[in-house]
Amino acid sequence: DTGVSQNPRHKITKRGQNVTFRCDPISEHNRLYWYRQTLGQGPEFLTYFQNEAQLEKSRLLSDRFSAERPKGSFSTLEIQRTEQGDSAMYLCASSPNRRDEQYFGPGTRLTVT
Amino acid sequence: GDSVTQMEGPVTLSEEAFLTINCTYTATGYPSLFWYVQYPGEGLQLLLKATKADDKGSNKGFEATYRKETTSFHLEKGSVQVSDSAVYFCALSDRDGRRALTFGSGTRLQVQP
Repeated sequence: DTGVSQNPRHKITKRGQNVTFRCDPISEHNRLYWYRQTLGQGPEFLTYFQNEAQLEKSRLLSDRFSAERPKGSFSTLEIQRTEQGDSAMYLCASSPNRRDEQYFGPGTRLTVT
Repeated sequence: GDSVTQMEGPVTLSEEAFLTINCTYTATGYPSLFWYVQYPGEGLQLLLKATKADDKGSNKGFEATYRKETTSFHLEKGSVQVSDSAVYFCALSDRDGRRALTFGSGTRLQVQP
């Protein structure tokens, strides 16, 4: 299966610690998106990449959040100095060029204690 | 900005009942419309899509028609099964620029035998 993969699947951390998540998109998908989903809500857009270029960041993405996609392949999302409000499911999706549909990974569930 | 409104759940039906989940949207331009499904313990899966007015998306017995005049994209299925129990998300994608998805809050469907 060559779907979108995310690691780790679960992360428990203490407030103030840094965490990093990884996303491996479907091979040859040019666009990669990060979303955040809280309980009982739909996913909310955080940021996206066209190849290695980060083209937009949502206002939801505070300065403590940073994302990279070196070489246009996998992507990482880092949260510095985590807060309890960062507890959520972080979803990654990829999309082929010139297509609208996005394919989602299983997500990384972050719990900040 | 763009937004999606779904009927609140949970929706509880008996097996073989008819299903409708309402979805309306607000968007500038002409978005693409999607239904995604999230089965218990799994990631978001694309169920169906429609890219222009009067298009009908269909998959696994589910259908939805893009109604520009009523800005709606209601999901229907003629005969639900227990295995359809999941959370259903309506979403739109702006067709220019980032093509990020804007999701509704989701509707939980419970099908009883």
